[in-house]
Amino acid sequence: EAQVTQNPRYLITVTGKKLTVTCSQNMNHEYMSWYRQDPGLGLRQIYYSMNVEVTDKGDVPEGYKVSRKEKRNFPLILESPSPNQTSLYFCASNPRANYHQPQHFGDGTRLSIL
Amino acid sequence: SQQGEEDPQALSIQEGENATMNCSYKTSINNLQWYRQNSGRGLVHLILIRSNEREKHSGRLRVTLDTSKKSSSLLITASRAADTASYFCATDTDRGSTLGRLYFGRGTQLTVWP
Repeated sequence: EAQVTQNPRYLITVTGKKLTVTCSQNMNHEYMSWYRQDPGLGLRQIYYSMNVEVTDKGDVPEGYKVSRKEKRNFPLILESPSPNQTSLYFCASNPRANYHQPQHFGDGTRLSIL
Repeated sequence: SQQGEEDPQALSIQEGENATMNCSYKTSINNLQWYRQNSGRGLVHLILIRSNEREKHSGRLRVTLDTSKKSSSLLITASRAADTASYFCATDTDRGSTLGRLYFGRGTQLTVWP
């Protein structure tokens, strides 16, 4: 089944404790991205990757890192999480970075930073 | 930055009625997409309409696009309780440096009562 898989689905942790949210897609998609969703703010893009070893900042990249060593994986790293990073996170992918591609979303990761 | 803005923020109707949601955006686009999000889940792509199209249908969904007014509407006909979800519009941009990126609105929460 074609899908985008995120892990974990839920995580409660403390300020400053490094964490990684994994994202994997099995559709051989070139383009992958991370969003955060907050009440009243909609979805905001954190980082995106147009292909292996190519990543770029979205609208809210501060406090986050990403890597794209393989086509299928695009982990989101919070080196020193803070409470303002408490949010619902989504990974998405689409076949290529062009104008006419719908995005496929994972089911989300709910992070709570205490 | 946020391109699309949905209106209304919330919509409550009875089963069998039609639901209309609107989206306005700010800059020129290549396409506009509509997504649906069930509570606690990832977004699911519904329909994509290109800037040179005025109307598109998919089952009970009808999307219109008016590029002169920078607006789009999503019509769900004969709504069902299972249509209860949040609906988001997403736009790209015609600026080449942001190829592949999507900009989401804050969404319309649709509730369909049995």
